[in-house]
Amino acid sequence: DQQVKQNSPSLSVQEGRISILNCDYTNSMFDYFLWYKKYPAEGPTFLISISSIKDKNEDGRFTVFLNKSAKHLSLHIVPSQPGDSAVYFCAASVAGGTSYGKLTFGQGTILTVHP
Amino acid sequence: KAGVTQTPRYLIKTRGQQVTLSCSPISGHRSVSWYQQTPGQGLQFLFEYFSETQRNKGNFPGRFSGRQFSNSRSEMNVSTLELGDSALYLCASSGQANTGELFFGEGSRLTVL
Repeated sequence: DQQVKQNSPSLSVQEGRISILNCDYTNSMFDYFLWYKKYPAEGPTFLISISSIKDKNEDGRFTVFLNKSAKHLSLHIVPSQPGDSAVYFCAASVAGGTSYGKLTFGQGTILTVHP
Repeated sequence: KAGVTQTPRYLIKTRGQQVTLSCSPISGHRSVSWYQQTPGQGLQFLFEYFSETQRNKGNFPGRFSGRQFSNSRSEMNVSTLELGDSALYLCASSGQANTGELFFGEGSRLTVL
């Protein structure tokens, strides 16, 4: 049972344009959402997060949007740069209780930004 | 500040053997989590330790086990290895409560022949 889904295995974008990565979830208990980026031969690195009490969080070129009613979130990268080429993972957690390190990840989307 | 360190980085085992992977978290981090990454499956949560106690466990068979030491270093063990256990095993540490921001190591790539 895939509680977090990234339905697009890959995305190709031209440098300077917007990259939009999508993620859907099914578990209503999730109340904290994160995006991680992973380069080959490296561990994932935290990119940006959003709490369920917000619908938007922005950090430089990266913005995450959350639509709770649709159980959908998206990551926007503007403008996209070749160095953004990586695998992007969406993740969710139940922030309360004792789940510090337990995240539920999507399958990942390979982003390729062409010069 | 040193990052999360995992050893060994690569290893090859045969079916039926057992393997132990090690993880040293970022200094001061008390929570250590383990994840398995396989192609097409994303990252699957294995278990989490906090102050030497297993706090959460994922949906993996009992062949997968772990422990945490008093210095927060952690080990995971897989016994009676199967071909399907071939994967990248990632360790992550966390110092903040309830934010989900994890700091990952580079992983241990296990190949089972």
